[in-house]
Amino acid sequence: EAGVAQSPRYKIIEKRQSVAFWCNPISGHATLYWYQQILGQGPKLLIQFQNNGVVDDSQLPKDRFSAERLKGVDSTLKIQPAKLEDSAVYLCASSADRPRGAINEKLFFGSGTQLSVL
Amino acid sequence: RKEVEQDPGPFNVPEGATVAFNCTYSNSASQSFFWYRQDCRKEPKLLMSVYSSGNEDGRFTAQLNRASQYISLLIRDSKLSDSATYLCVVTNTNAGKSTFGDGTTLTVKP
Repeated sequence: EAGVAQSPRYKIIEKRQSVAFWCNPISGHATLYWYQQILGQGPKLLIQFQNNGVVDDSQLPKDRFSAERLKGVDSTLKIQPAKLEDSAVYLCASSADRPRGAINEKLFFGSGTQLSVL
Repeated sequence: RKEVEQDPGPFNVPEGATVAFNCTYSNSASQSFFWYRQDCRKEPKLLMSVYSSGNEDGRFTAQLNRASQYISLLIRDSKLSDSATYLCVVTNTNAGKSTFGDGTTLTVKP
């Protein structure tokens, strides 16, 4: 079974530039997550999709971050313009669909994109 | 106060030692609990789920104390390959939201 695919693996940009990350979840997984992991911290949820609808984007800095999952499969996360504090690993994860209230299926993570903003 | 708190460590132990990590959570509505393992420069991977009755998987034992709102992970007979960061994850299944702790770093030395 193919895992969660992410690209690029690394990205170096200057502040105020734009950057986009791509994620293809495990086939059949309805739920897709984007996490930001700053060095020394745990992953922080940015946005959660169920199919192509947004479930939770309460921690997404909407003035500069945007994400879409138009066809309910792959997703892109964009930062425009980037700031120094955006330097982090951006992890995409997916999980199988479960009825609300059921014990969550485990999260499967991609390898992440390491972003350095100079 | 963070929603999920872990002792960051690092924990430096010799091979064969027993080591335990604790994790506390603040949201009493949390319903599901997990431990993930993250190797250096790698993505997190599920280590084990944590059940109310406690559960064991080989050298690893996880326990949940709902009254005190903490979960624990015990590793017996530590191996060099156990060196990693262990992330506590707390999930509110009704809200469909999972929150990660900042992780506890373990280094097992020969």
